[in-house]
Amino acid sequence: QVELVESGGGVVQPGGSLRLSCAASGFVFSHHGMNWVRQAPGKGLEWVANIWNDGTKKFYADSVKGRFTISRDDSKNRLYLQVNSLRVEDTAMYFCARDVHNGVFDPWGQGTLVIVSS
Amino acid sequence: EVVLTQSPATLSLSPGESATLSCRASQSVGSSLVWYQQKPGQAPRLLIYDASNRATGVPARFSGSGSGTDFTLTISSLEPGDFAVYYCQHRSDWPRPFGQGTRVGIK
Repeated sequence: QVELVESGGGVVQPGGSLRLSCAASGFVFSHHGMNWVRQAPGKGLEWVANIWNDGTKKFYADSVKGRFTISRDDSKNRLYLQVNSLRVEDTAMYFCARDVHNGVFDPWGQGTLVIVSS
Repeated sequence: EVVLTQSPATLSLSPGESATLSCRASQSVGSSLVWYQQKPGQAPRLLIYDASNRATGVPARFSGSGSGTDFTLTISSLEPGDFAVYYCQHRSDWPRPFGQGTRVGIK
C-alpha cells in the first residue's frame, strides 16, 4: 500500500538547520509531485513547499522562501526538506504528502516534529 | 494570493445530526477546492476534491458543493468518527494555503 514516512525532526536552536526526509513506498515515486505541509502545535495546516514530479519546478510559501529548500531523489524514493535559519515560529509537525491531481494531497505521512528552542 | 475563510470556527452537534461547513475564497478558484479531515493526533485525510468529488473510500454521507468563491461541505447524519477538524484548500494557483479549519465537536 502507499506509505509515506517522515524522519529527521528534532530540537534545534534558533538559527539552526535540519534536513527532513520522507520515504515513499507503494507507488511510482517519480510519477508524482510532492509536498510539505506543517502544523504548529494546536494550530491549523500551513502548506510549505511543492516539487513537481520531474523536479523542474519548486514552489514555496512566503514564510519559508529563501530559508527552506525542497528536493527529491527518485533513485531512493525520497523527498527532502532542508530547513535553514530556523525560527521559533517554525516549530511544527512537518508532513509530507503525495500530489495526486495537481494540488490534491493523498496520502499524508504521520509527520516529523521540529522544535526550535533555545 | 487567494485567502480561504472557513465558517463557523466550531460546530457542536450530536451524532445523527447534519453538519454544514462553509469555505469562502477571496477570489474565484473555479471548482479547484479540496476538503480534508483531521482527527486528533492523526495526519489529515483527503475527503473531497474539485469541490464535489469524493475520494476513494469516503462514505456517501460526505458531500461537497459550490464553485467560484463559495463552497460547502455537508456531512449528513454524523457518526462518532466524524467529529474532527475539517480544512479546505484550493489548487488553482500558487501558493496553496489552507483555510483555518472548522472543528466539529460533540454537543
